[in-house]
Amino acid sequence: AQTVTQSQPEMSVQEAETVTLSCTYDTSESDYYLFWYKQPPSRQMILVIRQEAYKQQNATENRFSVNFQKAAKSFSLKISDSQLGDAAMYFCAYSTGTASKLTFGTGTRLQVTL
Amino acid sequence: GAVVSQHPSWVICKSGTSVKIECRSLDFQATTMFWYRQFPKQSLMLMATSNEGSKATYEQGVEKDKFLINHASLTLSTLTVTSAHPEDSSFYICSARGRGLSGANVLTFGAGSRLTVL
Repeated sequence: AQTVTQSQPEMSVQEAETVTLSCTYDTSESDYYLFWYKQPPSRQMILVIRQEAYKQQNATENRFSVNFQKAAKSFSLKISDSQLGDAAMYFCAYSTGTASKLTFGTGTRLQVTL
Repeated sequence: GAVVSQHPSWVICKSGTSVKIECRSLDFQATTMFWYRQFPKQSLMLMATSNEGSKATYEQGVEKDKFLINHASLTLSTLTVTSAHPEDSSFYICSARGRGLSGANVLTFGAGSRLTVL
């Protein structure tokens, strides 16, 4: 069975600074997808970024980028120029398809301070 | 595009009653619906997967008779919590898979339903 581990229950970053959220996973599959989802206080799940395992290039979406290390089964999220609106729970997730069932990590609560 | 409407957003019921939660895909056909449960300050756990017109597939440990899932059309799936008890109090989230305007598969989450059983 696939597992996703987030070892940082809480993180804090100052506004405009950079923060990295960690995620490791375990799978025997060679083709899969990894995601970072944001869950603000409204509880609405928002897709932040997606990485296809077959792609060596790290995904980037504006201020959000990932460091995907396939051999190490590591998938960290870097948020640059942090904004107050980035404060939320962040979940790392694994799937075998682009729109399939997701296995979520336990989440990291990100606080953004002035 | 790719909007999923989930209702109710918040429901309180008495122990022993049944509660129905609806998820509707507004601008696409949801061929598959995933139902998740999230306890306070915890992660999302997949409860079941339903394909339109077929019986739902439940994850290990999820009671089929307690959590009834119906996916009778390509735009509507429902989760009914039968004979609800306080331990069923949780946040329930649906996620729909379908074809977006570009033709690619999309996965869209509903806003969730908070169930409180007294």
